[in-house]
Amino acid sequence: QQQVKQSPQSLIVQKGGISIINCAYENTAFDYFPWYQQFPGKGPALLIAIRPDVSEKKEGRFTISFNKSAKQFSLHIMDSQPGDSATYFCAASHNFGNEKLTFGTGTRLTIIP
Amino acid sequence: DVKVTQSSRYLVKRTGEKVFLECVQDMDHENMFWYRQDPGLGLRLIYFSYDVKMKEKGDIPEGYSVSREKKERFSLILESASTNQTSMYLCASSPWDRQETQYFGPGTRLLVL
Repeated sequence: QQQVKQSPQSLIVQKGGISIINCAYENTAFDYFPWYQQFPGKGPALLIAIRPDVSEKKEGRFTISFNKSAKQFSLHIMDSQPGDSATYFCAASHNFGNEKLTFGTGTRLTIIP
Repeated sequence: DVKVTQSSRYLVKRTGEKVFLECVQDMDHENMFWYRQDPGLGLRLIYFSYDVKMKEKGDIPEGYSVSREKKERFSLILESASTNQTSMYLCASSPWDRQETQYFGPGTRLLVL
C-alpha cells in the first residue's frame, strides 16, 4: 500500500525555470513532511521540511507548499540550476517526526542548460 | 559532520549465499535504519533499531534479519540471498527523538547472481 504518492517519476526543466514535484498522502495522522535530495552515488540528505501548521515554507530557492484539506504537498525549486539535478524524495511521518518515515517513490530531476 | 559509513559500495554474491551488510555511524545516534532503494519504488524500510539489541520490522522484512550488538553498528543479514534481493541498500541513523532527520550512508549496491 503506497501511503505517499509522488509525481512525476522524472522531470526535465530548463536552467532558470521552476521545478515542481508533487506528493499526496492518505494517512491523516501524518504531521511532518520532509523532502530529501539524493545525488548520484550518495545517500539521501534532508533538504527541507514542513509541519501542517503552516501552508508554506521557504529556504532559499526551495519552497514547500502544503494543502492540508487536499492532503497534498509539493516542492518548488525556483531558478533551477544544473547543480539541482538529483533524485528527490518526499516523505511523511506522524508524532511530529518521532515515528518512522514513509517515503514517496522519488523524482529524478534533470536541469538542462 | 555526521558520518554514516557502509562496509561496501558494490557487492556481487551468488544465490543462496549468506550476505552481511555493515553500517557504522559516529554520532552516538540511538536510531538506525536499513532501507532498500529500487527504481519506481522509492525507499522501503526493512528494519530499524532504536537501541542496542532492539529491533523492529519495517515494511519489507521478509528474507532479512538484523543485528545490533553495539550502538554505533547495525548489520543487515541476508540469510540466503536471492536474485530478487538485488538492490541498493541504504543505512541511516538519527537521534532518538529526531527520527525525521535521518542521516544516510552512501549505499551498497548488491547484485545477486
